[in-house]
Amino acid sequence: EDKVVQSPLSLVVHEGDTVTLNCSYEVTNFRSLLWYKQEKKAPTFLFMLTSSGIEKKSGRLSSILDKKELFSILNITATQTGDSAVYLCAVEPEYNTDKLIFGTGTRLQVFP
Amino acid sequence: DGGITQSPKYLFRKEGQNVTLSCEQNLNHDAMYWYRQDPGQGLRLIYYSQIVNDFQKGDIAEGYSVSREKKESFPLTVTSAQKNPTAFYLCASSIPGSPVSYGYTFGSGTRLTVV
Repeated sequence: EDKVVQSPLSLVVHEGDTVTLNCSYEVTNFRSLLWYKQEKKAPTFLFMLTSSGIEKKSGRLSSILDKKELFSILNITATQTGDSAVYLCAVEPEYNTDKLIFGTGTRLQVFP
Repeated sequence: DGGITQSPKYLFRKEGQNVTLSCEQNLNHDAMYWYRQDPGQGLRLIYYSQIVNDFQKGDIAEGYSVSREKKESFPLTVTSAQKNPTAFYLCASSIPGSPVSYGYTFGSGTRLTVV
């Protein structure tokens, strides 16, 4: 059965800290891995990763994929209170390109 | 502006009642989806539709029903058969056949509470 597992489930840090969120997956015929940020309602797209070892970067956020070990990490440096959210990892399988398999999410809380 | 509109934002239901959650999009996307989100469980797929008048069950379809009579609309009915319906419901749409991230858009969600 295809599944996506995120860790930790919850994380509390102070502003300025650096955090690493993990996403591991077991999906037949992997196509892509996506990261979303969900603050209150609709998840917003952060990154899509398809190739191993190529870092995607956007400001203080970065992400990388390891297709051999079947995991991805999302790094946030110099965290701010506005980074507080649930971060969702999702995998798109090759066999059904219109469905996403989501992980449980990591709830990040950043305190001043 | 193009997007997905879900209504209502908050919904209260008495046990034994059916309720219908609305999802409308003006993105001209063919594919639409319904997800359920519970604390600590991420998003789980309820139903999806890739074309008008056709839809498929997702991983947790029991106790739910959908229709897809128009391209723009994909309403979800939570029936009395759904034993634990209190959750946050998210609707999404995409362009089928293209990389998901290019056109996977979420609505703002409906929070359903059974009282």
